[in-house]
Amino acid sequence: DIVLTQSPATLSLSPGERATLSCRASQSVSSYLAWYQQKPGQAPRLLIYDASNRATGIPARFSGSGSGTDFTLTISGLEPEDFAVYYCQQGSNWPLTFGGGTKVEIK
Amino acid sequence: EVQLLESGGGLVQPGGSLRLSCAASAFTFSSYAMSWVRQAPGNGLEWVSGISGSGVTTHYANSVKGRFTISRDNSQNTLYLQMNSLRAEDTAIYYCAKSLGSTTLRHMDVWGQGTTVTVSS
Repeated sequence: DIVLTQSPATLSLSPGERATLSCRASQSVSSYLAWYQQKPGQAPRLLIYDASNRATGIPARFSGSGSGTDFTLTISGLEPEDFAVYYCQQGSNWPLTFGGGTKVEIK
Repeated sequence: EVQLLESGGGLVQPGGSLRLSCAASAFTFSSYAMSWVRQAPGNGLEWVSGISGSGVTTHYANSVKGRFTISRDNSQNTLYLQMNSLRAEDTAIYYCAKSLGSTTLRHMDVWGQGTTVTVSS
């Protein structure tokens, strides 16, 4: 199985700051990498697919980059509603796998 | 609005069985692969199983292979997960999710609100 390692586990930032989240795959997943946001008590929401494409309705402050084994999710200026847990997920090989998550918390 | 509504969760004893359902609406259900994803209390997301739009092709996580069976009824726009030989570690919220693309299951763009399964004596 492909293992996705997310770092850091927790990111403490203030509103307006830039957030940079990392996801590293144990083997190449090409560009088949997605990012999801999850808030407490809610289902995950797709933010980015195929490494760099924003899903429908996702604000432009969210951007994704990378290919192969190293990927980054950037939130250019944190809004209050962006404090949540973020997961990466690979769609290259079966079984599909998720990273362990990065919690973005208010500093 | 595209919607997914899970049902069938509950409390079950170890070794028992449970069947989850996911009713889909407002999209051409048979054209999209579907998945089940679970989340144990306080933990991250774990993909469980996926099925092609036709229902012919299925995939499973190693942790559930041989115990869980995914299926679909395209005439009823419903996805199922039959769970047998349940263990305490299967305790989780189970989400159904729709594939983003119509040809392959890589990423999931619509999620239900989840149904809770608790395995305990």
